[in-house]
Amino acid sequence: DAGVTQSPTHLIKTRGQQVTLRCSPKSGHDTVSWYQQALGQGPQFIFQYYEEEERQRGNFPDRFSGHQFPNYSSELNVNALLLGDSALYLCASSLDTGEDIQYFGAGTRLSVL
Amino acid sequence: QQPVQSPQAVILREGEDAVINCSSSKALYSVHWYRQKHGEAPVFLMILLKGGEQKGHEKISASFNEKKQQSSLYLTASQLSYSGTYFCGTELLAGNNRKLIWGLGTSLAVNP
Repeated sequence: DAGVTQSPTHLIKTRGQQVTLRCSPKSGHDTVSWYQQALGQGPQFIFQYYEEEERQRGNFPDRFSGHQFPNYSSELNVNALLLGDSALYLCASSLDTGEDIQYFGAGTRLSVL
Repeated sequence: QQPVQSPQAVILREGEDAVINCSSSKALYSVHWYRQKHGEAPVFLMILLKGGEQKGHEKISASFNEKKQQSSLYLTASQLSYSGTYFCGTELLAGNNRKLIWGLGTSLAVNP
């Protein structure tokens, strides 16, 4: 049973560019949440997708957008990259039940130069 | 809304005990505890729900004080493998509009 997988593992971009990160949820999970984790900080909630729609969003600008596909996999897109976007981006999947336990992928390390 | 974790850092010798606290200024529906080792994904430890009972996992247990909106994580007879950063995630609402708000983490180092 594969867990949450994210790609790519590492990414280097320059300011102003656009990036797409990908996430495949744990088998059987229907909900995907994206987080940004700066060095030494806790994860910051970006948004959550359920049934191919954005269900909840954190305090991130519109430059951050996402998508969920019918197979529940998800993408995170960031436009007009800023130096401050450099971080570890974590994807977590869960099942839309009472406890909402989230299982995390290993993350994508994004460096913006 | 961000929960406050204390202490920020703990250094233990193998076999010692530790308590990590997580406090919120808002009424909570649930508290999630995760451990993250350097360069790895956060790993789920346990969840405590409002009205639920105290949870336990091996030598790690946790409690949830609904009146104080506070949760505590108890690590007893610590092992080297317990080293990492512990995060609490708090959930304010039940239902469809749910999201976890994470604390800044507590760094735990267990030395031989």
